[in-house]
Amino acid sequence: EDQVTQSPEALRLQEGESSSLNCSYTVSGLRGLFWYRQDPGKGPEFLFTLYSAGEEKEKERLKATLTKKESFLHITAPKPEDSATYLCAVRKTDSWGKLQFGAGTQVVVTP
Amino acid sequence: DAGITQSPRHKVTETGTPVTLRCHQTENHRYMYWYRQDPGHGLRLIHYSYGVKDTDKGEVSDGYSVSRSKTEDFLLTLESATSSQTSVYFCAISDPGQGGYSNQPQHFGDGTRLSIL
Repeated sequence: EDQVTQSPEALRLQEGESSSLNCSYTVSGLRGLFWYRQDPGKGPEFLFTLYSAGEEKEKERLKATLTKKESFLHITAPKPEDSATYLCAVRKTDSWGKLQFGAGTQVVVTP
Repeated sequence: DAGITQSPRHKVTETGTPVTLRCHQTENHRYMYWYRQDPGHGLRLIHYSYGVKDTDKGEVSDGYSVSRSKTEDFLLTLESATSSQTSVYFCAISDPGQGGYSNQPQHFGDGTRLSIL
């Protein structure tokens, strides 16, 4: 059975305290792994797509990496505005673009 | 922001009544999706559409139906609402683009919060 598991469920950081979120997956035929950010009362906002092991993408204080079994989202020197729920999702081959999501990691960054 | 409008944004209704949620897009994207989001479960796919009048079931489709008569509109209907369908519902769109659908992310609306009493 295909699974996408995110850890930890919640993370509380001090401003400037770097950390990493984990997304592990067991799917056959991975076509892409996607990271999203979701603010309260809003829909998920696309951050990154990763396609192959070893690939890395960066955006401001966020950096996503991919291995054959998991992806990490590194948050470097976070600020309070980085507080959000971060979701990862996988896309399989021949899936009409469908995504399977993990349950998310809620990140709170305090000043 | 992707041009996706969900309506209504909030709705409270009673068990047993029919409910229809609307997703309207102005991006002319081919694929559209309905998800529900519940604590501890993340986003789960209800139904999706890969073209006008072409739809298929997702992982949690029981009790839901969809219709797509135009590229821009995708309707989700709860035929007889139950309390277990209380949730936040999100619509998403994507398009194959030049690289094929694997290269294109989904973009989401801001959701409909549905409460069934």
